[in-house]
Amino acid sequence: DAGVIQSPRHEVTEMGQEVTLRCKPISGHNSLFWYRQTMMRGLELLIYFNNNVPIDDSGMPEDRFSAKMPNASFSTLKIQPSEPRDSAVYFCASSLGAASGASGANVLTFGAGSRLTVL
Amino acid sequence: GENVEQHPSTLSVQEGDSAVIKCTYSDSASNYFPWYKQELGKGPQLIIDIRSNVGEKKDQRIAVTLNKTAKHFSLHITETQPEDSAVYFCAASYSGGGADGLTFGKGTHLIIQP
Repeated sequence: DAGVIQSPRHEVTEMGQEVTLRCKPISGHNSLFWYRQTMMRGLELLIYFNNNVPIDDSGMPEDRFSAKMPNASFSTLKIQPSEPRDSAVYFCASSLGAASGASGANVLTFGAGSRLTVL
Repeated sequence: GENVEQHPSTLSVQEGDSAVIKCTYSDSASNYFPWYKQELGKGPQLIIDIRSNVGEKKDQRIAVTLNKTAKHFSLHITETQPEDSAVYFCAASYSGGGADGLTFGKGTHLIIQP
């Protein structure tokens, strides 16, 4: 397996523009997570899905952020409109959900991240 | 919700010496404690994990210990090598009830001095 695939790897945009980050989880994994990493706040969980259904979005900073998972192999994180304080590295991760009972459940595999710079 | 504190934020050790990173957590229901290593420009990668039914786990030069009573766990790296230089994150979660998300500590930048 190629692992968790994220795109784009780098994005530079201007304040007010819409940003869409994409993620392809590992095939067979049924949980997907979006994290944001900054120097000040570390790794923050934004939202996670189980079987394509959003379970906890309490970490989404505000209404400008939205996430979707239309099928088991694709998810998007959208920021509209973007602001300079959204600049960060956004990671997608996937796992076999704990409820699966499988050994290795809860082991998150991270993608390489999408570095976002909002000017 | 869960809160994870990690210390130190930076740790510099001589090559060949041991390194210890410590974490505490707040939610007594947490029962899964992984450690991740992040190299520059890459996503975090799992290096070792421990579940609350054991107190210690070892994998070659790395080991993790867990004290559920005190709600703290530690990462031990022995015979450190230059390739151990990275940022290390501890995390905690409750495995069950759909609460699958990990709460991470702020990270420790480990520097191995040649």
